[in-house]
Amino acid sequence: SQTIHQWPATLVQPVGSPLSLECTVEGTSNPNLYWYRQAAGRGLQLLFYSVGIGQISSEVPQNLSASRPQDRQFILSSKKLLLSDSGFYLCAWSALDNQPQHFGDGTRLSIL
Amino acid sequence: KQEVTQIPAALSVPEGENLVLNCSFTDSAIYNLQWFRQDPGKGLTSLLLIQSSQREQTSGRLNASLDKSSGRSTLYIAASQPGDSATYLCAVPDRGSTLGRLYFGRGTQLTVWP
Repeated sequence: SQTIHQWPATLVQPVGSPLSLECTVEGTSNPNLYWYRQAAGRGLQLLFYSVGIGQISSEVPQNLSASRPQDRQFILSSKKLLLSDSGFYLCAWSALDNQPQHFGDGTRLSIL
Repeated sequence: KQEVTQIPAALSVPEGENLVLNCSFTDSAIYNLQWFRQDPGKGLTSLLLIQSSQREQTSGRLNASLDKSSGRSTLYIAASQPGDSATYLCAVPDRGSTLGRLYFGRGTQLTVWP
């Protein structure tokens, strides 16, 4: 069966520090991969999606970047965090187009 | 770009009641609609996915319907239980897109008390 892992579960970082969140999927090949952010009082917003290694599409301009160095690995990064980057970050995958998306347990990021 | 609205924002009911959660979206040219459940501080669990060719899907006590022409979906929960307490989210993709870029509503926060 397929599983998705995100880590860390919780992260507290100072403003201006770098960020690296990792997401890996097991039990499937060539998944579509997604990064979402859920900010307090706001809905889920798609940040990045990827349909293959090295292929990244950004949905909104922001202080973050994403990379897909391996087929089942998706990384969310920042060089310098802002207070506005606080939120709940969720990684998701889908097997094919038009198939259900499956989510990880999320990373709670707090910026001080 | 889709705009998704969910009503009500919050719902508190006694155990055993049948519930209807509503979702509306602005662009009816969708391939599917997905309902999720989110427990506090957790990720999303996929409940049901309805393809555009379908009118409803059922899983246990859950039944979701889709009316593309009117841009609406409902999630029906039968015989609610305290374990159903969670936030329920609906999501739709872009117009004509199957790439899975989803737009979410803000959810309905459900509390079922014993």
